[in-house]
Amino acid sequence: QQQVKQSPQSLIVQKGGISIINCAYENTAFDYFPWYQQFPGKGPALLIAIRPDVSEKKEGRFTISFNKSAKQFSLHIMDSQPGDSATYFCAASREQAGSQGNLIFGKGTKLSVKP
Amino acid sequence: EPEVTQTPSHQVTQMGQEVILRCVPISNHLYFYWYRQILGQKVEFLVSFYNNEISEKSEIFDDQFSVERPDGSNFTLKIRSTKLEDSAMYFCASSVRIRGSEQYFGPGTRLTVT
Repeated sequence: QQQVKQSPQSLIVQKGGISIINCAYENTAFDYFPWYQQFPGKGPALLIAIRPDVSEKKEGRFTISFNKSAKQFSLHIMDSQPGDSATYFCAASREQAGSQGNLIFGKGTKLSVKP
Repeated sequence: EPEVTQTPSHQVTQMGQEVILRCVPISNHLYFYWYRQILGQKVEFLVSFYNNEISEKSEIFDDQFSVERPDGSNFTLKIRSTKLEDSAMYFCASSVRIRGSEQYFGPGTRLTVT
């Protein structure tokens, strides 16, 4: 019940296209859903995050869509650029009182954006 | 911009040896975490630390692991007797608070056990 399932495992997109990565969770106690971006040899870096009180959050070219009833959330990267090529991890955690905020990560999606 | 730092960047050790991985969290952060990532796999939670004690740990964090905040700046992860399967990238992370606060990750220490 602690798992976060992520798909696809890898994704190839042409420059200018839309990249879509999906995640699903089981634990309804999760209330914080971040996406992390990781470049080779670097630690994960927060890209964008959402909480269940909204169904969508947009920051620049990055949008999270959240479906609470389906227990799914997705990352959309508009106008994908070669510099977006990285591994993307979805994650989930609990922020309520008594929780420690530890992140449960999906398995990651390796995105390659072709010029 | 403040950042989490980790040393060393790469540690090679023989099976059965003790290793200590070091982290310097961002100075005003109060919550500290260790995660690991086996090559090509997902990032896995190991332990969280707050107010000088472990607040939560995963099944991976067995008796061979320990954490410590020996002074006001360092946060360490010790593996007492390393095994081959401990080979992984170990990430330290910190945050100001739990709710509404991002976890900042360090660049990681690559541990290779031979």
